[in-house]
Amino acid sequence: EAGVAQSPRYKIIEKRQSVAFWCNPISGHATLYWYQQILGQGPKLLIQFQNNGVVDDSQLPKDRFSAERLKGVDSTLKIQPAKLEDSAVYLCASSLGQGRQYFGPGTRLTVT
Amino acid sequence: GESVGLHLPTLSVQEGDNSIINCAYSNSASDYFIWYKQESGKGPQFIIDIRSNMDKRQGQRVTVLLNKTVKHLSLQIAATQPGDSAVYFCAENTSGTYKYIFGTGTRLKVLA
Repeated sequence: EAGVAQSPRYKIIEKRQSVAFWCNPISGHATLYWYQQILGQGPKLLIQFQNNGVVDDSQLPKDRFSAERLKGVDSTLKIQPAKLEDSAVYLCASSLGQGRQYFGPGTRLTVT
Repeated sequence: GESVGLHLPTLSVQEGDNSIINCAYSNSASDYFIWYKQESGKGPQFIIDIRSNMDKRQGQRVTVLLNKTVKHLSLQIAATQPGDSAVYFCAENTSGTYKYIFGTGTRLKVLA
């Protein structure tokens, strides 16, 4: 079984630029999560989808972050414009329902 | 509450010894818990889970203990090996929700 795929693995941008991350969940997983993991901390949920609908985006900074999952499969997370404090690893995870989550390798973002 | 803290607590153990990693969870309504292992440059990997109707669950070389009275979770690793070196996170969930809250994490260092 293929795991959760994410790209790119690394990204370096200057502040005020835009960036987008892509995630392909495990086939058949209806639930998809985006997490932000700042160095030295645990993952913090940004947004979760059930199929193509948003279940929880209460911690998503909506003035600069957006996410979509148009066909209920792949998802993209965008930051526009980026700030220095957005430097982190962005993790995508998927699950069949509310149970065990499977994580991708993450995208390490550095904002300079 | 949410994961906080700039510096991960570190547990150093001798190879072959047993390791015990602790986690205090925040929500008394949480009834499902997962331990994850995160190696450098990778996403969190599922180790073991436990539901609140149990106080102990065993896997291969790992045991999770749950004390609901004091909202405490522990992960025991038997005969710790160099490959166990990683950061370990606990995550809590409440049935009926998809949201997982991650703990701060503990770095396990295995000494040869």
